[in-house]
Amino acid sequence: KQEVTQIPAALSVPEGENLVLNCSFTDSAIYNLQWFRQDPGKGLTSLLLIQSSQREQTSGRLNASLDKSSGRSTLYIAASQPGDSATYLCAVNRDDKIIFGKGTRLHILP
Amino acid sequence: DTAVSQTPKYLVTQMGNDKSIKCEQNLGHDTMYWYKQDSKKFLKIMFSYNNKELIINETVPNRFSPKSPDKAHLNLHINSLELGDSAVYFCASSQGAWTGGGGYTFGSGTRLTVV
Repeated sequence: KQEVTQIPAALSVPEGENLVLNCSFTDSAIYNLQWFRQDPGKGLTSLLLIQSSQREQTSGRLNASLDKSSGRSTLYIAASQPGDSATYLCAVNRDDKIIFGKGTRLHILP
Repeated sequence: DTAVSQTPKYLVTQMGNDKSIKCEQNLGHDTMYWYKQDSKKFLKIMFSYNNKELIINETVPNRFSPKSPDKAHLNLHINSLELGDSAVYFCASSQGAWTGGGGYTFGSGTRLTVV
């Protein structure tokens, strides 16, 4: 049974710092992995999608990596800003459904 | 705007009532989903439909009945609402049932409160 774990559960960092959010999954047979952002009381916004054949994806200040064999993904946020404060969710896709981690609550201190 | 749209955004109702949540996507995706986010913010799949056919039905009480009149719509009807049904319900869509294609797009959620 696929399980997705995100560490840390919560993180506070000063503005301007670079940071890494971690995601691990137990079954490496995935089709793709997707990182989402959820603002309080809001829906999910897709940030990056990495197909199983890819190693990383970049969008602006965000870079996501995927090491399928070891069951790990990281989301790197460069030069963090207060607007980056949100919950970041990792989700792996296999067999027509996605399994979510419990998220990392990120707080960027001004 | 291309999107997944859900209505209503908020729903407050009494125990025992029957209510529906509607979802529509104009992305041309062939698969739609309902997810439930519990009080601990954990997202879990409930149902998925591919081209109007049910392909996933997780362990959900049969008081919950999804209906897909066409591949752009997936509604969720809930009978005899209970306090434990209070949660945020998210609709999502993707292109490709088995691989998630280009990823998933989520609606903004419906916050259901049963009193």
